[in-house]
Amino acid sequence: AQSVTQLGSHVSVSEGALVLLRCNYSSSVPPYLFWYVQYPNQGLQLLLKYTSAATLVKGINGFEAEFKKSETSFHLTKPSAHMSDAAEYFCAVSQGPNAGNMLTFGGGTRLMVKP
Amino acid sequence: NAGVTQTPKFRVLKTGQSMTLLCAQDMNHEYMYWYRQDPGMGLRLIHYSVGEGTTAKGEVPDGYNVSRLKKQNFLLGLESAAPSQTSVYFCASLRELLTDTQYFGPGTRLTVL
Repeated sequence: AQSVTQLGSHVSVSEGALVLLRCNYSSSVPPYLFWYVQYPNQGLQLLLKYTSAATLVKGINGFEAEFKKSETSFHLTKPSAHMSDAAEYFCAVSQGPNAGNMLTFGGGTRLMVKP
Repeated sequence: NAGVTQTPKFRVLKTGQSMTLLCAQDMNHEYMYWYRQDPGMGLRLIHYSVGEGTTAKGEVPDGYNVSRLKKQNFLLGLESAAPSQTSVYFCASLRELLTDTQYFGPGTRLTVL
């Protein structure tokens, strides 16, 4: 089965600084990868997804992620952090149609933004 | 268009009690999922359904049962609750393709004493 690993359960940045959240995947086939964001006491909201069309994927709220096959990575970045970006971020991989298209999630990274 | 809704939002049970969580979606999606979220472990799939009348086990199915009698509803049951089932439960739905987006409900916070 495919899996994802998120490095760093907590990341703290200053407002205006670069945001980098790391995600590495393990897959024997081309993966379909997703980043979701969870604000406090809410459900998950899709930020962006990689479906093999383009390696650089742009999402909502100024986030983007680059799929790097050689590094088996799909790191999430944002050039300038805002206070409103404070949330928990999850990387996920789809297990494909033979497994009901279910998602397998990483452990999550909590992003804190300091003023 | 309400998207994915879950009831109840909060529940406290005693060990051994039973309950049913309801998930409803109004997007005519084929696939529905139940996840549980525990600190540091992300979301783990409990059961899922690829269509009305069908269900399948996910990663952590023990202690849970599900039913999908109507396309728009997906029920998660706990027959005899245990403290290890204290968690936040999320329902999600997917139109059809793996490249489609899974839409999540707001969650149900369950505490088992």
